[in-house]
Amino acid sequence: NAGVTQTPKFRVLKTGQSMTLLCAQDMNHEYMYWYRQDPGMGLRLIHYSVGEGTTAKGEVPDGYNVSRLKKQNFLLGLESAAPSQTSVYFCASRPTGKGSNQPQHFGDGTRLSIL
Amino acid sequence: GQQLNQSPQSMFIQEGEDVSMNCTSSSIFNTWLWYKQDPGEGPVLLIALYKAGELTSNGRLTAQFGITRKDSFLNISASIPSDVGIYFCAGPSPFTSGTYKYIFGTGTRLKVLA
Repeated sequence: NAGVTQTPKFRVLKTGQSMTLLCAQDMNHEYMYWYRQDPGMGLRLIHYSVGEGTTAKGEVPDGYNVSRLKKQNFLLGLESAAPSQTSVYFCASRPTGKGSNQPQHFGDGTRLSIL
Repeated sequence: GQQLNQSPQSMFIQEGEDVSMNCTSSSIFNTWLWYKQDPGEGPVLLIALYKAGELTSNGRLTAQFGITRKDSFLNISASIPSDVGIYFCAGPSPFTSGTYKYIFGTGTRLKVLA
């Protein structure tokens, strides 16, 4: 009963280092999302994907790249980490809906600190 | 970016009290979602609303889709300590042509005193 799984759960990086966050879902959902959550700002969309092989920018995409090579996986990359990217990152997925907007299912987050 | 306005931002209540919170937007929504986030975890869906005026319950939780379609309300009856957390409203962004994007409120942080 995994749902949405994010790895790693915690990571500390130095400025300029790169890393990739992995999101995996086992619900056969078409849509996947990456958000960041900062104190007092709710959830902000970084990138999203509406299907395998497709990606699109959200409201705060700068400094991040994504890939969706397989339907079940959505990867978030930081090429050169900056302290401003210190945040909690959440992945979400949802199915397509026929005539309705299906809710998103979230992972438990990755807590990332950039020193 | 666009966000929904939630009120109150935070609240302390005594165990057993009822709780009310709301979410407002300047734009019309056709779906309202309410999530709860426990400390150290991701948001979990509580209630989904799809029609104006709709009133839906999930245990001690009741949510309503405002008739103006610009607001939604969440009530918790007889609060217990495990109700502590952050409650978010969300809905499909009215500012995009498709329904792919969702926008989230800034959250109501609830603390329950035993």
